[in-house]
Amino acid sequence: DQQVKQNSPSLSVQEGRISILNCDYTNSMFDYFLWYKKYPAEGPTFLISISSIKDKNEDGRFTVFLNKSAKHLSLHIVPSQPGDSAVYFCAASSSGTYKYIFGTGTRLKVLA
Amino acid sequence: DAGITQSPRYKITETGRQVTLMCHQTWSHSYMFWYRQDLGHGLRLIYYSAAADITDKGEVPDGYVVSRSKTENFPLTLESATRSQTSVYFCASTHSLWGEQFFGPGTRLTVL
Repeated sequence: DQQVKQNSPSLSVQEGRISILNCDYTNSMFDYFLWYKKYPAEGPTFLISISSIKDKNEDGRFTVFLNKSAKHLSLHIVPSQPGDSAVYFCAASSSGTYKYIFGTGTRLKVLA
Repeated sequence: DAGITQSPRYKITETGRQVTLMCHQTWSHSYMFWYRQDLGHGLRLIYYSAAADITDKGEVPDGYVVSRSKTENFPLTLESATRSQTSVYFCASTHSLWGEQFFGPGTRLTVL
């Protein structure tokens, strides 16, 4: 049973446009969410996080939105750049545990 | 080298052999993790550790053994490798329960 789902395996976006990556979760106990970016042959690197007490968190070109009632979060990248081309994973955790459940990833391709 | 390293980066072995994947971090992070990445599954947690001599099972622990005699090292052993354990393995560490995880570069393991 996949508790964290990224239903779009891939996404292509033109340079300069907005990229929106989506993530759904089923466990209502999850209260901390992270996004990681992964380039080929490298380990994932942390991008941005959000706790359930917020519905939005921004860091430069990256914004994460959390809709708790829909159990949905999204990552917005504005403007998208070719260097953003990578696989993006969302991950979720619940208080009192340091176990993170990862989604299957979305491969983003930003076209120049 | 500062950071988190994994060795070997690539390994080919045969069914039934014992294989040990090494993970070393220089930050003195308390928490360490082993994940495997497979197509269609994202990152799945194998084992994790909260401190030296404290380890626990993740989502997919069968066929794996871990130890943590020193804070900085967290080796993962496949006692009798099977083809289904062909995967990319990532080690990660973090300093706090809510902190981002820092990932190593990964080990690509092929079991023939």
